[in-house]
Amino acid sequence: EAGVAQSPRYKIIEKRQSVAFWCNPISGHATLYWYQQILGQGPKLLIQFQNNGVVDDSQLPKDRFSAERLKGVDSTLKIQPAKLEDSAVYLCASSLLRGGPFYGYTFGSGTRLTVV
Amino acid sequence: AQSVTQPDIHITVSEGASLELRCNYSYGATPYLFWYVQSPGQGLQLLLKYFSGDTLVQGIKGFEAEFKRSQSSFNLRKPSVHWSDAAEYFCAVGAPGGKLIFGQGTELSVKP
Repeated sequence: EAGVAQSPRYKIIEKRQSVAFWCNPISGHATLYWYQQILGQGPKLLIQFQNNGVVDDSQLPKDRFSAERLKGVDSTLKIQPAKLEDSAVYLCASSLLRGGPFYGYTFGSGTRLTVV
Repeated sequence: AQSVTQPDIHITVSEGASLELRCNYSYGATPYLFWYVQSPGQGLQLLLKYFSGDTLVQGIKGFEAEFKRSQSSFNLRKPSVHWSDAAEYFCAVGAPGGKLIFGQGTELSVKP
């Protein structure tokens, strides 16, 4: 079974530039999550999708971050404009809907963003 | 509100020695609890999870964890540490709807 795919693996941008990250979840996984992991901290949920609808985006800085999940499959997370404090690893995860919310929960390898 | 505390930021153990990583949680009901491991530049790998039933949970790579409701703890243990176990370890609690709330992590170093 293929895992959660993320790209790019690394990205370096200047502050005020824009950047986008892509995630392709495991086939059949209805729920998709984006987490932000700042160096020295545990991951923090940014946004959760169920199919192509948003379930939880309470921690997403909506003035600069946006995310979409077209057709309920892959997803894109965008930052515009980026700030220095956005430097972090962005992790995508997916899980099956049936069997309970934590069934099949799998993380991708992440995208490491450095804002200079 | 749910929260997770990992009191030890960094632990160093000798290869072959036993290991215990501490985790305390705050949650109103019976929690879903997880331990993940993260090697440098890698994503999170699930070591084990507790949903219900037997409070001693066995995981991969020889790890186990014990759920103690009275102490709100879910400590991770391994009887004999290998050099390849050096990594960052995260404890997490599952919130309603599927969100995971993580502790700040414990970095494990292994001395030869």
